[in-house]
Amino acid sequence: GQQLNQSPQSMFIQEGEDVSMNCTSSSIFNTWLWYKQDPGEGPVLLIALYKAGELTSNGRLTAQFGITRKDSFLNISASIPSDVGIYFCAGRNQGAQKLVFGQGTRLTINP
Amino acid sequence: NAGVTQTPKFQVLKTGQSMTLQCAQDMNHNSMYWYRQDPGMGLRLIYYSASEGTTDKGEVPNGYNVSRLNKREFSLRLESAAPSQTSVYFCASRGTSGGARWSTDTQYFGPGTRLTVL
Repeated sequence: GQQLNQSPQSMFIQEGEDVSMNCTSSSIFNTWLWYKQDPGEGPVLLIALYKAGELTSNGRLTAQFGITRKDSFLNISASIPSDVGIYFCAGRNQGAQKLVFGQGTRLTINP
Repeated sequence: NAGVTQTPKFQVLKTGQSMTLQCAQDMNHNSMYWYRQDPGMGLRLIYYSASEGTTDKGEVPNGYNVSRLNKREFSLRLESAAPSQTSVYFCASRGTSGGARWSTDTQYFGPGTRLTVL
């Protein structure tokens, strides 16, 4: 089946640094979603991307839908302590019911 | 508008016991999902329901059953719990909005049920 390769698996950064993570797939998707999961909580949708090449921002977060439709990246600028958590990418094909999830990137921030 | 709600939040079972995890959404979504999350494993789909009255197996359905009671509610049942089913369980619903020129298609998660099977 389809798989998403999300990298890096974990990041340890200083507060104020910028963060970049990405997802790649061996096949194309029509929708890319980025979620964040805080400890003890369910994943919360951050950004949704629906068109190849689309660049979308949500505050300090910016995500792009790769032009080949096989990848997406998420950037976080000027990280703050509340950015700590696990970030998941997910892809969906047109008409498909199921999302394919990446394995997650665990972000840790040193104050 | 509560979104996706799940009960209970925590549960401890003994091997062989049964229980039902409840999920409800108030967003009028057609599709609902059950996932489990284990350390280092990400989210794995157990079952899903594309619409009221239909259910389909996901990636890891063994040991589980589901019921789509109505459009709002989707329950997950463990008939005979095993230690391997110790996990965090998430329910999600998916909705689309928009028209011919644009549409959004997003999936929303509940807060999770933390299940331990001894």
